[in-house]
Amino acid sequence: AQSVTQLGSHVSVSEGALVLLRCNYSSSVPPYLFWYVQYPNQGLQLLLKYTTGATLVKGINGFEAEFKKSETSFHLTKPSAHMSDAAEYFCAVRGMGGGFKTIFGAGTRLFVKA
Amino acid sequence: DTAVSQTPKYLVTQMGNDKSIKCEQNLGHDTMYWYKQDSKKFLKIMFSYNNKELIINETVPNRFSPKSPDKAHLNLHINSLELGDSAVYFCASSQLTGSGGGDQETQYFGPGTRLLVL
Repeated sequence: AQSVTQLGSHVSVSEGALVLLRCNYSSSVPPYLFWYVQYPNQGLQLLLKYTTGATLVKGINGFEAEFKKSETSFHLTKPSAHMSDAAEYFCAVRGMGGGFKTIFGAGTRLFVKA
Repeated sequence: DTAVSQTPKYLVTQMGNDKSIKCEQNLGHDTMYWYKQDSKKFLKIMFSYNNKELIINETVPNRFSPKSPDKAHLNLHINSLELGDSAVYFCASSQLTGSGGGDQETQYFGPGTRLLVL
């Protein structure tokens, strides 16, 4: 079985500050890991994903995330927040192989202060 | 061109009515999904179809019935609407599921249908 925990339902940062959104997962098999972003009144769109290979993955809009198997984490970071980054962010996990669903975390709302 | 489209975008209706939400994807994907997002933004899968065949059916009241006339369409019909059905419903698609290829697992979401039951 798979599960996802996002620490902090709300995160607030100042413009230009580091963004860190935390995600921990549990999975009975090697996981695929995803971060999706949802802007107000829109559907989710993929930011980045880890499948296999390099554990540091880069996504769109300057975001990146590192898969740490020992910590079962996949935290999302961005060095410098921009006002346009304000949105809801969802971490998701899916087990490799057939028969697994994608499980989404509860989401973290990112606020960016001017 | 819109990859995953849903109609209607907004739906306001009375309790007890029957309504349908339509979803179409032009990505050539084999798998489609319906999710429900509640007021706290929690996203929960309801159904998934692979090539017109139901593969995921979560614990959802049987008032909800998905229909997939072809692999590009997955419609959601809801009978006897209740207040608790008010939510945003998202359709999504992915190329394959369970294929072992992570790139093919990425889901593409529609813009959502905001359902309000009065």
